[in-house]
Amino acid sequence: AQRVTQPEKLLSVFKGAPVELKCNYSYSGSPELFWYVQYSRQRLQLLLRHISRESIKGFTADLNKGETSFHLKKPFAQEEDSAMYYCALYTGGFKTIFGAGTRLFVKA
Amino acid sequence: DAMVIQNPRYQVTQFGKPVTLSCSQTLNHNVMYWYQQKSSQAPKLLFHYYDKDFNNEADTPDNFQSRRPNTSFCFLDIRSPGLGDAAMYLCATSRPVAGDIRNEQFFGPGTRLTVL
Repeated sequence: AQRVTQPEKLLSVFKGAPVELKCNYSYSGSPELFWYVQYSRQRLQLLLRHISRESIKGFTADLNKGETSFHLKKPFAQEEDSAMYYCALYTGGFKTIFGAGTRLFVKA
Repeated sequence: DAMVIQNPRYQVTQFGKPVTLSCSQTLNHNVMYWYQQKSSQAPKLLFHYYDKDFNNEADTPDNFQSRRPNTSFCFLDIRSPGLGDAAMYLCATSRPVAGDIRNEQFFGPGTRLTVL
């Protein structure tokens, strides 16, 4: 079955602390994975995609096929990182499966 | 700014009364999507259009229909809304680039549907 799991509904960290938002996937093919973010009162938008291997706003994500994971990491969280984060798996045919999301709250 | 627009932002309808949600885009993207997102759940793809080609997800109820009269507009029709159809409905677009369809989706702000 094709599935994206984000085990944490809520993650709360202090400003300056490292943050890791977990994402695990189930997919028999070669995965194409994304992280989308939704800031307060804003629309859902792409944060990063694994094929780009880029760092956006200090966030990185590494695809681990052995562990079927695509965790999102940032070494030093900022208050403006507080948002809803969705991990997403592209399965072909214009279909993307989203996880249920993790709300990140960065405390001052 | 080029964007995806959804109207209305909030829609209240009565049980069984047909309702239409609209989406428009100024991005000139080929692909338009409709997602349903219930509280604390993942956005779930209902269907998408690639140009005029309509693609329904296998588990999308027949109660949900869509129309795309032109590149810019796409509508979601719910023929007989039930209480379980109350949700946020998200419209998104994308544009395949050079045969690579694993591309970014651009989302609208969503329409929150309440069914009384």
